[in-house]
Amino acid sequence: GQQLNQSPQSMFIQEGEDVSMNCTSSSIFNTWLWYKQDPGEGPVLLIALYKAGELTSNGRLTAQFGITRKDSFLNISASIPSDVGIYFCAASGNFNKFYFGSGTKLNVKP
Amino acid sequence: GAGVSQSPRYKVAKRGQDVALRCDPISGHVSLFWYQQALGQGPEFLTYFQNEAQLDKSGLPSDRFFAERPEGSVSTLKIQRTQQEDSAVYLCASSRSGGGSEQFFGPGTRLTVL
Repeated sequence: GQQLNQSPQSMFIQEGEDVSMNCTSSSIFNTWLWYKQDPGEGPVLLIALYKAGELTSNGRLTAQFGITRKDSFLNISASIPSDVGIYFCAASGNFNKFYFGSGTKLNVKP
Repeated sequence: GAGVSQSPRYKVAKRGQDVALRCDPISGHVSLFWYQQALGQGPEFLTYFQNEAQLDKSGLPSDRFFAERPEGSVSTLKIQRTQQEDSAVYLCASSRSGGGSEQFFGPGTRLTVL
């Protein structure tokens, strides 16, 4: 079963607002990843984190690998309509078997 | 091709039928993964190949599920005697090297078992 607790489950925001979502676990992981999935498509990798405490940005996206190695967050700044979709965190202890969160569904009102 | 492709995109099976789902990874990618994604949930790991070797099959839900990658390229996920609870999207991903940090996903096969 799922080992990652992802929140919030869904968000409704206005275009231009900042967004924050996070994942927590009772287990320690060595890698945290953030993906976005559009309807009918496979997940697309947004950010990969490999080191505890690491803070990484990709355009308007920023993610951090928690210092305890049990959590991670993703921030999206100045949201735009094309940010709509489902965001998943994923984590692994050995680079081979990845556990996914249950997703955060983001809705952006123009 | 440029990305991971999967076929068929949609499959409807009657309960008890066998199905075979195909994944064509990105050319030259060493690692290949299969995931099962139920409606409204995140993907769940099924199995992992490095070249032709199946290194982890701990996520396969039962012995009705079988995956192979005989030549280290194309992979097939076979489900025997399908049940309604097998209805899900089956995602395939590949990555360049051993270990799956930069996984590229295919569009998935949506399986519906009636």
